Amino acid sequence: SQQGEEDPQALSIQEGENATMNCSYKTSINNLQWYRQNSGRGLVHLILIRSNEREKHSGRLRVTLDTSKKSSSLLITASRAADTASYFCATLIQGAQKLVFGQGTRLTINP
Amino acid sequence: KAGVTQTPRYLIKTRGQQVTLSCSPISGHRSVSWYQQTPGQGLQFLFEYFSETQRNKGNFPGRFSGRQFSNSRSEMNVSTLELGDSALYLCASSPRQSGVMNTEAFFGQGTRLTVV
Repeated sequence: SQQGEEDPQALSIQEGENATMNCSYKTSINNLQWYRQNSGRGLVHLILIRSNEREKHSGRLRVTLDTSKKSSSLLITASRAADTASYFCATLIQGAQKLVFGQGTRLTINP
Repeated sequence: KAGVTQTPRYLIKTRGQQVTLSCSPISGHRSVSWYQQTPGQGLQFLFEYFSETQRNKGNFPGRFSGRQFSNSRSEMNVSTLELGDSALYLCASSPRQSGVMNTEAFFGQGTRLTVV
């Protein structure tokens, strides 16, 4: 089964609103990463948060990590139509040296 | 700096045939990973190569194989194709220096394989 479970599976909001996506995982990790994918194309790395970090910012993105709950959230503030995409969390599992992806959240920004 | 390049972008093959996909990583990156993406199973890890050696392998049958060359370019081969192998195959490179892969991965645009 997938290491990461993402919630919600789909999210539709109005332009300018904030979007929050959540990711839960099962085993101990070295880091957790968020990626964006536009309609069947390659993945674009957004942000990486290490297991000893709790929060990280990058532009309009804010990521939190709670290792005690094995969960992370991605917040996109002031959303734009160009943010419409699928968002995936990926965990680097300790000892495994491979990224394990969640099923993704499909985000739609309505103009 | 050029990104990760995957060729070909699209491919149509018949059941039973074999296929080879190519991935050129970002210059200086020595780690190349392959993923299969399907609507039903999502993104699944296939294998990772570092310094021409397979370091990690996902849960795929032996029909899926790969290799890495001395210039870090990688190829993935699927033999005896099945309809279920239709997928987007993504390659990612990362600047892994030695035994630890602790940085972000940079993905190519993928190869869309359709098996008919």
